[in-house]
Amino acid sequence: SQQGEEDPQALSIQEGENATMNCSYKTSINNLQWYRQNSGRGLVHLILIRSNEREKHSGRLRVTLDTSKKSSSLLITASRAADTASYFCATDTDDYKLSFGAGTTVTVRA
Amino acid sequence: KAGVTQTPRYLIKTRGQQVTLSCSPISGHRSVSWYQQTPGQGLQFLFEYFSETQRNKGNFPGRFSGRQFSNSRSEMNVSTLELGDSALYLCASSLAPDTQYFGPGTRLTVL
Repeated sequence: SQQGEEDPQALSIQEGENATMNCSYKTSINNLQWYRQNSGRGLVHLILIRSNEREKHSGRLRVTLDTSKKSSSLLITASRAADTASYFCATDTDDYKLSFGAGTTVTVRA
Repeated sequence: KAGVTQTPRYLIKTRGQQVTLSCSPISGHRSVSWYQQTPGQGLQFLFEYFSETQRNKGNFPGRFSGRQFSNSRSEMNVSTLELGDSALYLCASSLAPDTQYFGPGTRLTVL
């Protein structure tokens, strides 16, 4: 079974707009990560946020973590066509063992 | 540094056959994990190896097995293939127990 659930399942936005997706998880975590996957290829690591952090930035990405609500959000600002991909949150249920959500498919329209 | 490499990239097999997939981790990474990705079940953890020892295992039948060599390269084997084994198999390597670096995957189709 999956630890995380993402919302929405799919998102379509115009280039230049912001994209926000959410992830909820069930058990306590050490950290939460976000990955991107382009069209059935490998996963690319985007950002990691530790359980004692509330917010983290990396370029156009902003991640928040609320451990009391067991939820996280990923914001992509000023989206580009190249941001079209599926985005997954992942939590570490055990060392070196990631549990992934179902993913959010983002389509950025030109 | 070169990234994680997986071979082959695509594979077509028939039911009942067995298959071996290979993964070469990033140089210096000793942990290798395997995941299965299907449209229905999403990404699921198969197993993790470190220094030739399996440290963690997901909920998959015994038909799924793996091993790791002294150079950290890893293989996974699926015996008696079933249609439901059709999936993208992803390998990831890591240096520390947080960030995992994924390979491009092996797309297995079982006919």
